[in-house]
Amino acid sequence: AQTVTQSQPEMSVQEAETVTLSCTYDTSENNYYLFWYKQPPSRQMILVIRQEAYKQQNATENRFSVNFQKAAKSFSLKISDSQLGDTAMYFCAFWDTGNQFYFGTGTSLTVIP
Amino acid sequence: DVKVTQSSRYLVKRTGEKVFLECVQDMDHENMFWYRQDPGLGLRLIYFSYDVKMKEKGDIPEGYSVSREKKERFSLILESTSTNQTSMYLCASSLGPSRGANVLTFGAGSRLTVL
Repeated sequence: AQTVTQSQPEMSVQEAETVTLSCTYDTSENNYYLFWYKQPPSRQMILVIRQEAYKQQNATENRFSVNFQKAAKSFSLKISDSQLGDTAMYFCAFWDTGNQFYFGTGTSLTVIP
Repeated sequence: DVKVTQSSRYLVKRTGEKVFLECVQDMDHENMFWYRQDPGLGLRLIYFSYDVKMKEKGDIPEGYSVSREKKERFSLILESTSTNQTSMYLCASSLGPSRGANVLTFGAGSRLTVL
């Protein structure tokens, strides 16, 4: 079975600064996808960014980027120029191209004004 | 955009009562999921369905059942609630794996409190 580990239960960052959230995973698959989802307080979970394992280039979406290290099975999320609206739970997730997704336990990020 | 709608946002029930949580998606997704979210435990899969009338157990199916009579609708049933089922329940949907890269789309969640 696939496992996803987020070792930082809580993090904080000053507004306008940069923060990196860590995620590691374990799999024997060669073809898979990795995701970061964001869940703002009392709001719906939404997709932040997606990475396909066969692509070496790191995915980027505006202020959000990932550092994907396939050999190390690491998939960290970098948030640049942090904004108050970035305060949320962030979940790392893995899809093995089957029917299931696998989630980490989440990192609660607080952006401090 | 895909929309996933959960019928109840907040529920309060007494131990032993039956709970029926309904989830509807409007973009012809094959797969639908029910997760339970608890602090420090992340999202745990209760059941998923990859087709009408098909269901598969997830990691924590005990105490729950599901129904998928139509493609767009996936219901989670708690026949006799217990206090340890107090939680946030999230419904999600995705394309089937044969239809390319999958992304989960979530509903707003149903927060159940069992007294």
